[in-house]
Amino acid sequence: NAGVMQNPRHLVRRRGQEARLRCSPMKGHSHVYWYRQLPEEGLKFMVYLQKENIIDESGMPKERFSAEFPKEGPSILRIQQVVRGDSAAYFCASSPSRGQTMYGYTFGSGTRLTVV
Amino acid sequence: AQSVTQLDSQVPVFEEAPVELRCNYSSSVSVYLFWYVQYPNQGLQLLLKYLSGSTLVKGINGFEAEFNKSQTSFHLRKPSVHISDTAEYFCAVTANTGNQFYFGTGTSLTVIP
Repeated sequence: NAGVMQNPRHLVRRRGQEARLRCSPMKGHSHVYWYRQLPEEGLKFMVYLQKENIIDESGMPKERFSAEFPKEGPSILRIQQVVRGDSAAYFCASSPSRGQTMYGYTFGSGTRLTVV
Repeated sequence: AQSVTQLDSQVPVFEEAPVELRCNYSSSVSVYLFWYVQYPNQGLQLLLKYLSGSTLVKGINGFEAEFNKSQTSFHLRKPSVHISDTAEYFCAVTANTGNQFYFGTGTSLTVIP
């Protein structure tokens, strides 16, 4: 019974390249949440997706960042033209349905992005 | 919206000593409260949560926390720490009608042999 799977665990990109982060939710979960942890800070909400829908993207930077959760396959967080300030740990969590915060979401192990 | 303040960024403590990690929150609506632990280069693991009812909640690894509504606090405690408790601890809050968590900036607990 695998948990939330994220890959890659570590990703190094040069400034200006694209970064693609993947998240496979727990089996049976159709809701995915992305959080970013900047150095020395707590996690901050980025986006909440349901299969084929973005439910809440209030935490996403307005430019260069996008997310999707297709009908088949993992959720993808895409960062175009990365800059040094994008260096962070990106965590994904999943839930079986909406309004499940009371259970405390299960988080993946994260993708640590380093922009050089 | 909600917010969380973790008052101590670093807490060193000797092995087998008690520890308290402080957390205060702000919210205009009813909330759920959580403590997560993050070991180096790992994801977050849920330690315990408060939803309603008894204000003292017990979690994994011998940790407990007490919800104090009047002081808007949710402090984490352990009577006797172990070396393996060295980690980053995050307090988090969510509105009971919300979809996202608001995290504090974390407290780095270092247990000294």
